[in-house]
Amino acid sequence: ETGVTQTPRHLVMGMTNKKSLKCEQHLGHNAMYWYKQSAKKPLELMFVYNFKEQTENNSVPSRFSPECPNSSHLFLHLHTLQPEDSALYLCASSPESGRKGTDTQYFGPGTRLTVL
Amino acid sequence: GENVEQHPSTLSVQEGDSAVIKCTYSDSASNYFPWYKQELGKRPQLIIDIRSNVGEKKDQRIAVTLNKTAKHFSLHITETQPEDSAVYFCAASRGGSNYKLTFGKGTLLTVNP
Repeated sequence: ETGVTQTPRHLVMGMTNKKSLKCEQHLGHNAMYWYKQSAKKPLELMFVYNFKEQTENNSVPSRFSPECPNSSHLFLHLHTLQPEDSALYLCASSPESGRKGTDTQYFGPGTRLTVL
Repeated sequence: GENVEQHPSTLSVQEGDSAVIKCTYSDSASNYFPWYKQELGKRPQLIIDIRSNVGEKKDQRIAVTLNKTAKHFSLHITETQPEDSAVYFCAASRGGSNYKLTFGKGTLLTVNP
């Protein structure tokens, strides 16, 4: 349960606020991911980082800005969000991205974001 | 890109019965198919996965079958218990140089005691 941690667990923000979500993994993995989980929709991949380099941006609006200072930490900076951005934001990690047999992903508990 | 369809969206069974959840995928190059279980308010957790070089994999009461020709895979839970109640997600990926997991919409399984 402590392999991938996320803070805060809950966040309420106004549309003009700036906030950041944090993810940390203690599994020695080299790939980290941000997902958005909305009600009645599939998990949506947002960003992928592999060895600190961003390798995927799944057409995410610029009001979401990721940062990966090292292989253990991943941030998602939020600014001028919209109410429809309210969702559960999940972080995940895997041993390595793009290498066969190492793509099993382990999820954090998520941050429940509400945009007013 | 890959498209994963998952059925049913909700499934209710009696304790002790079996439950089957089915997924179809569109990308014939997909070769990695994990299943995740997400209990209410908790993180998705990997429960079983299968790669395209096998047709079936079992882990105690859970099994996954894969039919690459038909491009579908299924999760089978036998002797269901109330603690099996959760949302189950299937996913598909090409693996290798393409690591993107495409998820199904999920199945809410309720096991009634």
